[in-house]
Amino acid sequence: GQNIDQPTEMTATEGAIVQINCTYQTSGFNGLFWYQQHAGEAPTFLSYNVLDGLEEKGRFSSFLSRSKGYSYLLLKELQMKDSASYLCAVRDPDSNYQLIWGAGTKLIIKP
Amino acid sequence: DTEVTQTPKHLVMGMTNKKSLKCEQHMGHRAMYWYKQKAKKPPELMFVYSYEKLSINESVPSRFSPECPNSSLLNLHLHALQPEDSALYLCASSQDRELSNQPQHFGDGTRLSIL
Repeated sequence: GQNIDQPTEMTATEGAIVQINCTYQTSGFNGLFWYQQHAGEAPTFLSYNVLDGLEEKGRFSSFLSRSKGYSYLLLKELQMKDSASYLCAVRDPDSNYQLIWGAGTKLIIKP
Repeated sequence: DTEVTQTPKHLVMGMTNKKSLKCEQHMGHRAMYWYKQKAKKPPELMFVYSYEKLSINESVPSRFSPECPNSSLLNLHLHALQPEDSALYLCASSQDRELSNQPQHFGDGTRLSIL
């Protein structure tokens, strides 16, 4: 079967750096997305990885290792507004347009 | 603000009511999606429309009925819902369902409560 694992909850301090990990076990691989979702709001697209390596976008970076079935989202210079859930999603290799979602990681930022 | 607009933002209805959720996007996307999301859970796919044709129905009960009047609009008609259908209903769109590097863009959702 297809499976995605993320930590349920993480806590970090304002101004610090945090890394949110995602591991996946799927029969194939067509790309991995990271979304941010504030409570009661829509998921917002953050990043897409399909090749190994690091993609950087301002304070946010995402890394992928296909051989390890592993990705992480790195958030730098944390701000209070970064408190949200972070969802990892992998394209279903059997159905390219469907996303297999992780349960999400709730990130709590403390002053 | 998102580029996918959903109305209403909140809806409370009884189990015998009929209501509709609406979704609109003007990004020229040709794939549109309905998701259901319960608290602290990831979104669950319900329906996918591609070029205005229903291409995916994830074994959703018939009390949910989708409609795609044109490439910019997506409706979800609700009838005789159950209390367990209370959830956040999200609409999303993407450029083309089969372009793997294109993300789905989500609306802010409709918070639905069934009494």
